[in-house]
Amino acid sequence: NAGVTQTPKFRILKIGQSMTLQCAQDMNHNYMYWYRQDPGMGLKLIYYSVGAGITDKGEVPNGYNVSRSTTEDFPLRLELAAPSQTSVYFCASISNVVGTEAFFGQGTRLTVV
Amino acid sequence: QKEVEQDPGPLSVPEGAIVSLNCTYSNSAFQYFMWYRQYSRKGPELLMYTYSSGNKEDGRFTAQVDKSSKYISLFIRDSQPSDSATYLCAMSGAGGTSYGKLTFGQGTILTVHP
Repeated sequence: NAGVTQTPKFRILKIGQSMTLQCAQDMNHNYMYWYRQDPGMGLKLIYYSVGAGITDKGEVPNGYNVSRSTTEDFPLRLELAAPSQTSVYFCASISNVVGTEAFFGQGTRLTVV
Repeated sequence: QKEVEQDPGPLSVPEGAIVSLNCTYSNSAFQYFMWYRQYSRKGPELLMYTYSSGNKEDGRFTAQVDKSSKYISLFIRDSQPSDSATYLCAMSGAGGTSYGKLTFGQGTILTVHP
């Protein structure tokens, strides 16, 4: 099993550009999450999904969009990149069995200039 | 006030020392308490997982949860240079819409020097 796979690993965007951060998991997990991590700030929840076709906002959703058309994939879309979106983005998934751990991807390091 | 507060450190200790990492929280709904370890430029990995109050031990690691004080701790005994990483506490509610949604502390950077 590959676990949670994120692409790309690194990206530099210009202000106003758009991009999609990809996330895929092969563990058949229903629950998937996008977090961003700023230096010294821990991780903050952007969006989450409890299953295909169901998504909801987290703590810091502004400037982002998500979709969940399959159980495996949970892409995060940035429509108009801003310098405030410079961060490291982590995708995570968890099964619906209570007490199991959340698995994280390796992260996408995004710089907006 | 942040929901979860963690001393950001950094913390530097000699090899073999006992390390204590702590978090406080304000949300009484938190039921699940976790410690994640994050190496540089990697994703967080689960280290310890505790439900409600109590202690849990796994090798050199001990996690404590005191819900009455809204305080959790991670102790590392006989610390090793390989323990050098950022340690993140995380918490979540029991179920429903809270399930799986983690609230993280800021992380503590730990360096264990030989």
